[in-house]
Amino acid sequence: DTAVSQTPKYLVTQMGNDKSIKCEQNLGHDTMYWYKQDSKKFLKIMFSYNNKELIINETVPNRFSPKSPDKAHLNLHINSLELGDSAVYFCASSQVGYRSSYEQYFGPGTRLTVT
Amino acid sequence: KQEVTQIPAALSVPEGENLVLNCSFTDSAIYNLQWFRQDPGKGLTSLLLIQSSQREQTSGRLNASLDKSSGRSTLYIAASQPGDSATYLCAVGGQGAQKLVFGQGTRLTINP
Repeated sequence: DTAVSQTPKYLVTQMGNDKSIKCEQNLGHDTMYWYKQDSKKFLKIMFSYNNKELIINETVPNRFSPKSPDKAHLNLHINSLELGDSAVYFCASSQVGYRSSYEQYFGPGTRLTVT
Repeated sequence: KQEVTQIPAALSVPEGENLVLNCSFTDSAIYNLQWFRQDPGKGLTSLLLIQSSQREQTSGRLNASLDKSSGRSTLYIAASQPGDSATYLCAVGGQGAQKLVFGQGTRLTINP
């Protein structure tokens, strides 16, 4: 069983389009994240949700809107895609709180290419 | 603002050698430190997690150490194998927020 899964794996689209990336975790974790890995392979956090509540929003353009329908899912919707949005987007999850390790588990990534 | 640096950016060694990867961070007020492995075109695989109260963690041929006061961590790989070739990423978890701050990684190549 895949612990953290993302769909789609690859996404090619044109500038100006709106697209969504889905993430699901079956680890029973209460916190989920979105990270962006740019062309230089640098990974940076975008958002974090704890029990469906947004707790981290790292100065990401408001064209990016995360949505968490339940603890096991965190989707990322991107409006009006720009060339600079081309990157690999990783979803991750962890269990936080007392006696939790906070260890983060990552999904396989979604490679977004905007043309 | 936490900054994480990994040196060297790339490392190539012959098979069988022991090696050390370095990670340094600017803010010692961390919750934990996690080492990951990333294969080309793949996701991140967690290798070791060290809590701020710990000095080291071991898993098989891997040993990670943490010195909070000096802002340093090392990943020691014993008896390296070609299958160890990958990019190794160090990430620091800050107190309060759960976000990880990543270094740029060390690209490791083990030559048969």
